[in-house]
Amino acid sequence: QVQLKESGPGLVQPSETLSLTCTVSGFSLTSYSVSWVRQPSGKGPEWMGRMWYDGDTAYNSALKSRLSISRDTSKNQVFLKMNSLQTDDTGTYYCTRELRAFDYWGQGVMVTVSS
Amino acid sequence: DTVLTQSPALAVSPGERVSISCRASEGVNSYMHWYQQKPGQQPKLLIYKASNLASGVPARFSGSGSGTDFTLTIDPVEADDTATYFCQQSWNDDTFGAGTKLELK
Repeated sequence: QVQLKESGPGLVQPSETLSLTCTVSGFSLTSYSVSWVRQPSGKGPEWMGRMWYDGDTAYNSALKSRLSISRDTSKNQVFLKMNSLQTDDTGTYYCTRELRAFDYWGQGVMVTVSS
Repeated sequence: DTVLTQSPALAVSPGERVSISCRASEGVNSYMHWYQQKPGQQPKLLIYKASNLASGVPARFSGSGSGTDFTLTIDPVEADDTATYFCQQSWNDDTFGAGTKLELK
């Protein structure tokens, strides 16, 4: 069955770089696009960026200067790197598969930016 | 960015019909989707492209609209529907609404 699982550090220092991994199973990264979506506690989700099925990427214009998304299809993994983290980057980070909409979501990883 | 505006909260009684609205700051064609999120869980897709029911979603849920005004309807509402409902558009990059919290009386 389709599964996505995020992994990465729960605590990041301000100004440091966040690195997250999304490991997928049950589908191919060369057939489906995968997006990263984050959500501050008690607020609406925010789309961060997308790894298209063909290897191209797209980014939220507000985050583009700090964000990089890549993949390793042999390991079924999609990666997120975001630099210069600040306290308002605190929240739950999800990876999600796309088919017409975000049809499958990982359980999310909580990231806190604090010294 | 396309801003999506939702009412913050609604309260209904079980068995009633409820409509949750989402207004886009610019037209999004039919590229509006709806999600349900319960506390501590990831969002769950309910409706895609305005009116299409996602796999496994009960037929009590339905969606309508096009352009800038969209509606998610639950009829009849059940106790398990207590959750926050988000709209999301994918016509102009991707943006989400702030959510409508549905409470049962």
